[in-house]
Amino acid sequence: GAGVSQSPSNKVTEKGKDVELRCDPISGHTALYWYRQSLGQGLEFLIYFQGNSAPDKSGLPSDRFSAERTGGSVSTLTIQRTQQEDSAVYLCASSLWGTSHEQYFGPGTRLTVT
Amino acid sequence: SQQGEEDPQALSIQEGENATMNCSYKTSINNLQWYRQNSGRGLVHLILIRSNEREKHSGRLRVTLDTSKKSSSLLITASRAADTASYFCAPWNYGGSQGNLIFGKGTKLSVKP
Repeated sequence: GAGVSQSPSNKVTEKGKDVELRCDPISGHTALYWYRQSLGQGLEFLIYFQGNSAPDKSGLPSDRFSAERTGGSVSTLTIQRTQQEDSAVYLCASSLWGTSHEQYFGPGTRLTVT
Repeated sequence: SQQGEEDPQALSIQEGENATMNCSYKTSINNLQWYRQNSGRGLVHLILIRSNEREKHSGRLRVTLDTSKKSSSLLITASRAADTASYFCAPWNYGGSQGNLIFGKGTKLSVKP
């Protein structure tokens, strides 16, 4: 089937505006993850969802960041009052929960805050 | 989960040569995974090696795992220009409270034609 998809692929927004980034995981994958990667840096974990459990939000950098996952499938990452330091590539991944735990990544959304 | 540390940070080779990159980690694992990232976009899962395995092959990739030394290596044989990418290792422990993989800064491989 199809892989993980993300939209939009690129987003340019003005400082102070809110943005929503969308992730469609692989069908049947119960776990979904958000990461971000600033230019030239490694991946920074943001949040993950597993089934109906409460999400692990420990990586969210501030309360301007939130995410939800509706119906155990599609997820939306919302950044309120964007700042220039929010500029990064936001990556979503999904996996089957289990001991193997390999993750399948989407192509990412490149966010630029001007 | 814990972070793996890749070494070297950067590697430049000629097409046809072999590329070896290493990963070290700190605590016990259930498996260790290697990923590739092209051009700062999504990562692609390459190979997973379980803690009870010592070596695994997939095409031109060979991964070894030494749990006594808490280290793994990824060998790419007969490299191609298309192998130019950043490579990340991700050690994973099922008993950890977090489901996310923690990625290091990776090894940036450049294969020159």
